[in-house]
Amino acid sequence: SQQGEEDPQALSIQEGENATMNCSYKTSINNLQWYRQNSGRGLVHLILIRSNEREKHSGRLRVTLDTSKKSSSLLITASRAADTASYFCAPAGNMLTFGGGTRLMVKP
Amino acid sequence: EPEVTQTPSHQVTQMGQEVILRCVPISNHLYFYWYRQILGQKVEFLVSFYNNEISEKSEIFDDQFSVERPDGSNFTLKIRSTKLEDSAMYFCASSEALTAGGYTFGSGTRLTVV
Repeated sequence: SQQGEEDPQALSIQEGENATMNCSYKTSINNLQWYRQNSGRGLVHLILIRSNEREKHSGRLRVTLDTSKKSSSLLITASRAADTASYFCAPAGNMLTFGGGTRLMVKP
Repeated sequence: EPEVTQTPSHQVTQMGQEVILRCVPISNHLYFYWYRQILGQKVEFLVSFYNNEISEKSEIFDDQFSVERPDGSNFTLKIRSTKLEDSAMYFCASSEALTAGGYTFGSGTRLTVV
């Protein structure tokens, strides 16, 4: 299956702490993308890391990619209550498919 | 910032009726997609569309489903004879390239089949 599987399924942290979410996938990819979904809303593209990149930053987001292990991680630093959402990785082959996501709750 | 617009935001329909969900993708995007999310479940790929034809479709996208780009701006999903299990959020998305860049998703249409 091309879709990623996120781990953990749920994560609860205090505001100001860092949140780390992991993704594993099975097929070869061109890139890997992370998306966020607020409850009942559409997915929002956060960041894309290409298969020849190992790490990428965007604001408080840091993504790593290890193609030899077929895994990726998303780190959100200094989390805020507004970061509460579900986060999905999407390994990109010829289409994007999504796993079950990590439900992140950031408590004020 | 450009948006993908979906209408209606909520549609209630009787089982067996036809529904058409509408989407206006971002104007310079070439690839269009429909996804659905049954309440509490994952976002599932339905279909991708490029150059006025379907490029990929999932097992969910059976003969009851069809897509169309009738006028160069709208992108529609039609469900011919709705079933109770079609109740879900339906998301439209568009992108400049197939998977080389991110997708922009609309806010969704909540379809309730009664």
